[in-house]
Amino acid sequence: GNSVTQMEGPVTLSEEAFLTINCTYTATGYPSLFWYVQYPGEGLQLLLKATKADDKGSNKGFEATYRKETTSFHLEKGSVQVSDSAVYFCALSDPFGKAAGNKLTFGGGTRVLVKP
Amino acid sequence: DTGVSQDPRHKITKRGQNVTFRCDPISEHNRLYWYRQTLGQGPEFLTYFQNEAQLEKSRLLSDRFSAERPKGSFSTLEIQRTEQGDSAMYLCASSLVVQADTIYFGEGSWLTVV
Repeated sequence: GNSVTQMEGPVTLSEEAFLTINCTYTATGYPSLFWYVQYPGEGLQLLLKATKADDKGSNKGFEATYRKETTSFHLEKGSVQVSDSAVYFCALSDPFGKAAGNKLTFGGGTRVLVKP
Repeated sequence: DTGVSQDPRHKITKRGQNVTFRCDPISEHNRLYWYRQTLGQGPEFLTYFQNEAQLEKSRLLSDRFSAERPKGSFSTLEIQRTEQGDSAMYLCASSLVVQADTIYFGEGSWLTVV
């Protein structure tokens, strides 16, 4: 079945440091890939997405490139801020389920803590 | 656009009791999803509706769980005879069919079974 594996946290960084969170996936077919962010006490928010190979999703300084050859979708940000402290989830959409294109399979999440 | 609204936000119940959660999706969103998230884990798909029709259910949705969306607007998720293993956050999400990859999540309903 489909699965998403992302690096375990917590990841602790200083402000303005470079952030990378690794994400790899297993899926039949060609899923869409997503990064969601969950701030403390809040629900999940879509951060960025990519729907086909070599697409780059970007938002709020974060970027991720859909790499079909390595089945990866690593999240990067060049200079993090304290406000980026949150839990980040990598996810894919199910290309073949009844909810094709919608049912999401999530990784376990990576907690990021940015210190001033 | 008021976002996806869930109620209650927190619920503590004794084992064996029934609980019901309500979700109000973004208006005009015809797809509605339920997910479950346990501490330190990513959300897991439970079920989804398109309008009032329940189109898919995960094997995680045991016969103690039932979800409805009677008029294609709000949805309820009921858990009967709760068990301690049901303790989790129950997330509701919604989307438009025509923007299928853009799914909006609510803030979740925390359930603690004691």
